Amino acid sequence: RKEVEQDPGPFNVPEGATVAFNCTYSNSASQSFFWYRQDCRKEPKLLMSVYSSGNEDGRFTAQLNRASQYISLLIRDSKLSDSATYLCVVQGGYSTLTFGKGTMLLVSP
Amino acid sequence: ETGVTQSPTHLIKTRGQQVTLRCSSQSGHNTVSWYQQALGQGPQFIFQYYREEENGRGNFPPRFSGLQFPNYSSELNVNALELDDSALYLCASSLDNDSPLHFGNGTRLTVT
Repeated sequence: RKEVEQDPGPFNVPEGATVAFNCTYSNSASQSFFWYRQDCRKEPKLLMSVYSSGNEDGRFTAQLNRASQYISLLIRDSKLSDSATYLCVVQGGYSTLTFGKGTMLLVSP
Repeated sequence: ETGVTQSPTHLIKTRGQQVTLRCSSQSGHNTVSWYQQALGQGPQFIFQYYREEENGRGNFPPRFSGLQFPNYSSELNVNALELDDSALYLCASSLDNDSPLHFGNGTRLTVT
């Protein structure tokens, strides 16, 4: 089983749609969780941290279920500029990050 | 505040050659990590340096080595290059072990 698994994608959605990304992780000792966004041929950039209580940043909502080892990201009212690859990331010791393969999102007019 | 900068941006090498990639950490950051991202994959952790000492390593062979300097800049060295080493190499720095990582633009290495 891979350490971090994500929906294979790509997701093709129209502007204004709501889209959800799912992610599972295998190491129950993982400490911190993030979603990163990566534009084509660019570096990953931190989108948001993920907390057990759930957290929201504008149109983006992240959820963590430690018992199920499951992480999600919900994007509401999708914009063209949301088109990117979304990487689920789990942090273990010494701030090392384990990335999922990423799920590509394509938002069309 | 200066972000993480990497050089060169692109590089083409021949199988068997050696390569050195460079990274300047974000100001004040004493931890630097290197990641390899092959096409269509997520970044894979190579190793991490904290105050000039390696303090974590991923599943990469010894021909991948690194250095961190007193000013916290860093190098990634790869010897005996193989075709599968072709990838985007990302450097990331953080304030400490508990802080988020900030990535540089990466160096795209092509091995022919």
